Amino acid sequence: SAVISQKPSRDICQRGTSLTIQCQVDSQVTMMFWYRQQPGQSLTLIATANQGSEATYESGFVIDKFPISRPNLTFSTLTVSNMSPEDSSIYLCSVELGTSGFTDTQYFGPGTRLTVL
Amino acid sequence: DAKTTQPPSMDCAEGRAANLPCNHSTISGNEYVYWYRQIHSQGPQYIIHGLKNNETNEMASLIITEDRKSSTLILPHATLRDTAVYYCIVRVAGTGANSKLTFGKGITLSVRP
Repeated sequence: SAVISQKPSRDICQRGTSLTIQCQVDSQVTMMFWYRQQPGQSLTLIATANQGSEATYESGFVIDKFPISRPNLTFSTLTVSNMSPEDSSIYLCSVELGTSGFTDTQYFGPGTRLTVL
Repeated sequence: DAKTTQPPSMDCAEGRAANLPCNHSTISGNEYVYWYRQIHSQGPQYIIHGLKNNETNEMASLIITEDRKSSTLILPHATLRDTAVYYCIVRVAGTGANSKLTFGKGITLSVRP
C-alpha cells in the first residue's frame, strides 16, 4: 500500500470562498482520483487527476467548480470554488497501485471534512 | 450506478465470524469483486478482491460463487474495531479511469460485545 496524506484534515469556510485541498503520496503513482462523500451518503468520484494534462471529470462535476492540479507523480490538489453549504462534504483522494499487474488497487487518503457556513 | 446489492445492515457477536453477502448478478467476465470498508467517516480501507477463485489475506476471506453472481466476505473473528460500513464493488479489470470504483450504499456491520 501507500501512505497518503491530505491537508487540511478539516475546515470550516464561509460561502463564496474557495478551499484548496492537498493530497500527498509517499511514492510515485500514475493514477490519482478525487471523491466526494456528502453527509450520510456513499462516495462519488469527482475526477481523475492526470499528470501533465487536464483532469477527467465525471458527469455532474465541472472544472470551474472543482479545478484540479497534478504537478507531479506524488501530489495533487483539488479546489472547491465559490463554496455553498451544499459543498459541505468529506473530500477524499485515492491513488492506484499495481498489485497483480493486471488490475490495480486504489488506496484512499484520510479525507478532508469541509463545512461551509 | 453500482452493480451490486447488499443488505443495509447486519450485526454479529464479537469473536464470531461475520459473513457479509453481496449480489452482483450482472457481473461480466472481466470484472473483479472488490471489498472496502469505511470506519466512522475515515477514508475507505481496501480489504480484498477476487475474480473467480476464493481469496484469503490477513484481514478476510472472499468466497465467490461458481456462477460469480454473488460473493461473501468473511471476517473470521470479528472484533469491535470491525464495526464499519463495508462496500462490495464490481470493477472492470485494468487500470485508471476505465476501471473506476463505483460505490453503492454498502452494508453497516455492527459488532456487539
